[in-house]
Amino acid sequence: KAGVTQTPRYLIKTRGQQVTLSCSPISGHRSVSWYQQTPGQGLQFLFEYFSETQRNKGNFPGRFSGRQFSNSRSEMNVSTLELGDSALYLCASSLDRGRSGYTFGSGTRLTVV
Amino acid sequence: SQQGEEDPQALSIQEGENATMNCSYKTSINNLQWYRQNSGRGLVHLILIRSNEREKHSGRLRVTLDTSKKSSSLLITASRAADTASYFCATDALYGGSQGNLIFGKGTKLSVKP
Repeated sequence: KAGVTQTPRYLIKTRGQQVTLSCSPISGHRSVSWYQQTPGQGLQFLFEYFSETQRNKGNFPGRFSGRQFSNSRSEMNVSTLELGDSALYLCASSLDRGRSGYTFGSGTRLTVV
Repeated sequence: SQQGEEDPQALSIQEGENATMNCSYKTSINNLQWYRQNSGRGLVHLILIRSNEREKHSGRLRVTLDTSKKSSSLLITASRAADTASYFCATDALYGGSQGNLIFGKGTKLSVKP
């Protein structure tokens, strides 16, 4: 079966712009989580969606938002980009909200200049 | 903030040797999971151990969990050059509405020399 698909793979944006990243989970998985990975802070949880509802949110400013559609695909949006938002953004899907583990996508590498 | 701390931060071994990585965490957990990441790409799920389990095996991997010490270890036996990667432990916390939220350690960078 197809894995978790994240698009785009790479993105370069200018400070102040906004960006939207997309994640298509494994078919049948209704839970989608997003993580930010930077060299300094490591892997940090952004938010989790389950059945189109945000169930959990990490400690990130309101510029970071997301949503989930009825087909479980998810998008995350970052507005008013800052240099510090440069990171690898990873999406993970799960059948049972992580009780048996997660499948991660290959990530979107965002560079803010 | 990070829940877990992996030890060592970096490990370099020869092919055929065993590699052991340790992880400590802070809060009560539902389960602990280990992931591998190659060169800044996505994470690959290796193994999950539940809080009521003490040891688990999967192929060349052996994971132990000591909930009294809040620690876990990952042993890779007979390592191969292809095992070169960063390894992360991640916990699924028991309380605080944190289901669906993994808390990761900083990772161990393993280098296996042929």
